[in-house]
Amino acid sequence: NAGVMQNPRHLVRRRGQEARLRCSPMKGHSHVYWYRQLPEEGLKFMVYLQKENIIDESGMPKERFSAEFPKEGPSILRIQQVVRGDSAAYFCASSPVGNYGYTFGSGTRLTVV
Amino acid sequence: DQQVKQNSPSLSVQEGRISILNCDYTNSMFDYFLWYKKYPAEGPTFLISISSIKDKNEDGRFTVFLNKSAKHLSLHIVPSQPGDSAVYFCAAIPNTSAGKSTFGDGTTLTVKP
Repeated sequence: NAGVMQNPRHLVRRRGQEARLRCSPMKGHSHVYWYRQLPEEGLKFMVYLQKENIIDESGMPKERFSAEFPKEGPSILRIQQVVRGDSAAYFCASSPVGNYGYTFGSGTRLTVV
Repeated sequence: DQQVKQNSPSLSVQEGRISILNCDYTNSMFDYFLWYKKYPAEGPTFLISISSIKDKNEDGRFTVFLNKSAKHLSLHIVPSQPGDSAVYFCAAIPNTSAGKSTFGDGTTLTVKP
């Protein structure tokens, strides 16, 4: 049973480009969460999704960031017009219904040059 | 306003001794607490959790203690092993928000042989 799969592991984008980060949750997990870790900081909540629904996006920046978890396929975190401050590790986690503990993916390290 | 605080950025202990990692929280709505362990270039891994109706939970070498009145929890590792060297994150979930965890900034534990 594969764990949470994130790709790519590393992503380099120039300022102004778009970044697309993908996350496939563990089999049987219907809840997906995205967290961002800036250098020397902890994990900051961004968004919580279930299939075709955004449950809580209170941690998402108001502009340029969006997330989806379609009926089929992986969850996507999309960052438009990236800036240097978007450089961070982005972690996706999933959990089954009724379970508080997350299973995390290995993260996508985004570098904006 | 940081609702979950890990005030010690780092901790160093000798192999075989006890490691004690501390975590404080401010939000009285938190009622479930978790500890995660993270190695470099990997995602966090769930370690142990505790519900607010308990004051202690034990799993092998790991024990989590919760003091609700002080809004404080701690993770004890006995005996510490070099393989325990990692970053440890404390996380908390409020009773009103299924799944969404708030993380502390982490404590880097180094266990010396």
